[in-house]
Amino acid sequence: QVQLVESGGGVVQPGGSLRLSCAASGFTFSSYGMYWVRQAPGKGLEWVTFIRFDGSNKYYADSVKGRFTISRDNSKNTLYLQMNSLRAEDTALYYCAKDFGGKAPVQIDIWGQGTMVTVSS
Amino acid sequence: DIQMTQSPSSLFASVGDRVTITCRATQSISSYLNWYQQKPGKAPKLLIYAASSLQSGVPSRFSGSGSGTDFTLTISSLQPDDFATYYCQQSYSTPLTFGGGTKVEIK
Repeated sequence: QVQLVESGGGVVQPGGSLRLSCAASGFTFSSYGMYWVRQAPGKGLEWVTFIRFDGSNKYYADSVKGRFTISRDNSKNTLYLQMNSLRAEDTALYYCAKDFGGKAPVQIDIWGQGTMVTVSS
Repeated sequence: DIQMTQSPSSLFASVGDRVTITCRATQSISSYLNWYQQKPGKAPKLLIYAASSLQSGVPSRFSGSGSGTDFTLTISSLQPDDFATYYCQQSYSTPLTFGGGTKVEIK
């Protein structure tokens, strides 16, 4: 079955770095656009970033631009999020998600269960 | 950036009620509007895409309508499994944006 499994979350100090991974299975990963979406504790959903099926185009929320980098390894069916210069306001559950299509964001049809990132001293 | 405003932010309803949630965009987004349902401790789930298309496997009591700036999610007869938080999201342009959510609670 279609599955997205995130890993790499944890507790990190302000200014630190973390890399999240998302292992995809059950579909042709290399054909679909992928997202990271986050949700702060008790808050709503916030789009973070999107990457095209081939990795050629990437889009970021202003709140993470210049600090976070999305990438993918289609040979390993894995999505990544490199997070640098972390701030307290980055504390959230980070969801990996799959788009219906491949080239531009359309709709998120599959979500992972999320990995928690806590930025605290 | 396109801002998405949902109303109400919460509502109380009974099983069998007809429930309507609205979502308004700060500029026209054509039909690039999706609706998601999220239950506590769970990932969101796609209900409606392109404003009015029902995602596969979603019960037909859910429907969506609207275009331009004003959109509606309707649950025709609320079921116990429908108590959750609902989010709209525009995919017209980046940055993609979600509404603040509508929590549907038991009356």
